[in-house]
Order: sequence, then structure tokens, then C-alpha cells
Amino acid sequence: EAGVAQSPRYKIIEKRQSVAFWCNPISGHATLYWYQQILGQGPKLLIQFQNNGVVDDSQLPKDRFSAERLKGVDSTLKIQPAKLEDSAVYLCASSLKGWTSGSGDNEQFFGPGTRLTVL
Amino acid sequence: ELKVEQNPLFLSMQEGKNYTIYCNYSTTSDRLYWYRQDPGKSLESLFVLLSNGAVKQEGRLMASLDTKARLSTLHITAAVHDLSATYFCAVVRGSTLGRLYFGRGTQLTVWP
Repeated sequence: EAGVAQSPRYKIIEKRQSVAFWCNPISGHATLYWYQQILGQGPKLLIQFQNNGVVDDSQLPKDRFSAERLKGVDSTLKIQPAKLEDSAVYLCASSLKGWTSGSGDNEQFFGPGTRLTVL
Repeated sequence: ELKVEQNPLFLSMQEGKNYTIYCNYSTTSDRLYWYRQDPGKSLESLFVLLSNGAVKQEGRLMASLDTKARLSTLHITAAVHDLSATYFCAVVRGSTLGRLYFGRGTQLTVWP
């Protein structure tokens, strides 16, 4: 079974530029997550989609970050304009279903990540 | 907000030795995960612990959960070099729709 795919793997930009990341989840997975992992820290959820609808974007800096999942499959995360503090690894994850108490079906599978450096 | 604390953050140990990584969390959770991350790689799920007293073992790693103490442990038995990686615990709350709250990670280095 193919895993979660992300591209690009690495990106270097200057501050105030814009950047976009792409994620293709595991086939059939309804829920998609974007996480930000700053060096030396654990991942932090930015946004969660259930099919093509947003379930949780409470931690997404909406003044500069945006994300979409138009057809309920692939997703893109955009930063515009980028700041120095956005330097991080951006992880995409997917799960078969959304949250269901007592079920293992919402286990999240992570992609390889995109390492963003903002100069 | 749910807080997850891991300790130690850095662990250097000799092959063959035993050690335990601790994960404390601040409020009631519905399940707890342990992940492994190799440098430049993504997160690999090791264990999911669902209930109080749950214990799971895979090879030289054993994870346990005490929901009353809000504590999980990851015990390493007779460490080998291949276990060198960063280990994260992550907690899920149903009230936040399955959002994972991660600890800062424990960077483990096993030396000969």
C-alpha cells in the first residue's frame, strides 16, 4: 500500500515570498492533517480536513497560511508571505476515518515531510 | 490546552543497558501513541495505548499506560545501536476531534 506522498521535500525561500506544499494521502483515507514541526519540538496540528471540509483550523495562522482540499483527496498548504519563524518541517498525515471514540481507524499515517527554510 | 511533557529530552546510553522514557500529560485523554522518528524521516507509529494498565511490547521496547497518573512509559531493554532515534509520545482527546498533542521528543543515542 502506497503511503502519504508529499512534495517538494525541501524548499528554500526568502522572507516575504510565498510557498506551497502538496500532499497526496493514502487512497481511501477521508481525513487529512497538516502539522508544523519546528526543530527540537513535536509536531503541532495546523489544520484537519474531513473529506473536503475543514474540521479544525484553530491553530492555523490564517493571516498568512491557507490550505485546501478541493476534491477530498489531494491537499495544498500555502504560506504567503513567509516569515523567518515559518522555518520548519511540514508534515502531512491521513487517517481512514475521522475521530471515533474507541476505534483504531483514526490512526494517523505520516508522510516524509517538506523541510522549509526561510532566509 | 492539553500539555504533554517528555523526559528526558536527551538520552545517551550504552548498548546492552536498560532505560525508561517518561511521558506525562495534563488532562484526561482518550488514547496515547508512541512514535519513532529517524533523522530526516517521518514519524513511524510504534504503539497505541487505549486503556488504563495497557501494556504493549515489540522487540526491545515496551510501552505502558497509567491513565490515573496521566503517565506513560517507554522502556528500553538491552539497547542496541539501531534503536537510536527520536521518540515522541502523543495524546488524543476526543473533544478536539482526534487532534494529536505531541511531546517535545526524546533523542536517544545508543553507543557501543
